[in-house]
Amino acid sequence: QIQLVQSGPELKKPGESVKISCKASGYTFTDYAMHWVKQAPGKGLKWMGWINTYTGKPTYADDFKGRFVFSLEASASTANLQISNLKNEDTATYFCARLDTTDYCFDYWGQGVMVTVSS
Amino acid sequence: DIQMTQSPSFLSASVGERVTLSCKASQNINKYLDWYQQKLGEAPKLLIYNTNNLHTGIPSRFSGSGSGTDYTLTISSLQPEDVATYFCLQRNSWPLTFGSGTKLEIK
Repeated sequence: QIQLVQSGPELKKPGESVKISCKASGYTFTDYAMHWVKQAPGKGLKWMGWINTYTGKPTYADDFKGRFVFSLEASASTANLQISNLKNEDTATYFCARLDTTDYCFDYWGQGVMVTVSS
Repeated sequence: DIQMTQSPSFLSASVGERVTLSCKASQNINKYLDWYQQKLGEAPKLLIYNTNNLHTGIPSRFSGSGSGTDYTLTISSLQPEDVATYFCLQRNSWPLTFGSGTKLEIK
């Protein structure tokens, strides 16, 4: 069955970096784009951007340009999100989501990774 | 960016009641509108895509409608397991934008 399994929760200090992963299984990884979505505590969902899993080309929403990097380990069917120079406002749950190529909707989601930034 | 406004932000209804949630876009989104259900502590789950298409495995009590800027999610007979927050998402243009959500509870 199709699954997106994300890495575990992270506790970081301001200024540090974090890398979270999203491992896909049950389908051909390179056939579907992977998107990233942020959800701050008690808040709504914010689309961060996506990565073309075939070419590796990332695309970032404006608010996520600069400190955020999407990358792949295609051989391991894994997409990664790295955030550098962490700020308090980066405290959130980060979801990966697969984009279905027939109907262009997010049909499968990872369970989410809670990143807490606190001094 | 397209702004998505959901209403109401909170809704309390009885089991068996018909419930309607609204999502309004700041411009025409050509029916590229999806609905997601998010239960506490879980990832969002796709319910409806492209305005009115029921995702695989979703109960038929969920339905969607709309066009242009105005879209609706209807639950024909509310069940206890429907307690969740519901988000709409527009995919008509970049950046993709979500509504702020409707939190649905049982009265």
